[in-house]
Amino acid sequence: DAGVIQSPRHEVTEMGQEVTLRCKPISGHNSLFWYRQTMMRGLELLIYFNNNVPIDDSGMPEDRFSAKMPNASFSTLKIQPSEPRDSAVYFCASSLLGPGLINEQFFGPGTRLTVL
Amino acid sequence: GENVEQHPSTLSVQEGDSAVIKCTYSDSASNYFPWYKQELGKRPQLIIDIRSNVGEKKDQRIAVTLNKTAKHFSLHITETQPEDSAVYFCAASIQKLVFGTGTRLLVSP
Repeated sequence: DAGVIQSPRHEVTEMGQEVTLRCKPISGHNSLFWYRQTMMRGLELLIYFNNNVPIDDSGMPEDRFSAKMPNASFSTLKIQPSEPRDSAVYFCASSLLGPGLINEQFFGPGTRLTVL
Repeated sequence: GENVEQHPSTLSVQEGDSAVIKCTYSDSASNYFPWYKQELGKRPQLIIDIRSNVGEKKDQRIAVTLNKTAKHFSLHITETQPEDSAVYFCAASIQKLVFGTGTRLLVSP
């Protein structure tokens, strides 16, 4: 397996533009996590899905952020409109969760987003 | 919700010394405690994990201990090498991971 795949790896955009980040989890994993990493706030969980259903989106900063998982092999994180404070590295991770059981999360390479 | 505190924020050691990083958590229901290593510009990668029914786990030069009563767990790296230099994150989990703020470890030759 190629591991978790994210695209693009780098994104530079201007304030106000829409940004879409993409993630393909490891085949067979049933859970997908979106994280944001900054120097100031560290590694923050934004949202996670289990069996394509959003379970916890309490980390999503505000309505400008949205995430979807239309099927087991694809997820998007969208920011509209983007702002300079959204500049960060966004990681997607996947895992196999069971009832009362959590396993290793495998991280993708991340997308480095710069909003000018 | 869960809150994880991690100390120290930076740690400098000489090659061959041991390094210890400590974390505390708040939710007694947490049952999974992984440690991730993140090299500069790279993704976090799991180096060792421990579940709540185990008190200690070792893998070559790294070990993790868990004290459920005190709600703290620690990472121990022995015989440190320059390639151990990285940021290390602890996390605690029931279903979702809550990460500590990270420890920047620098191993000097």
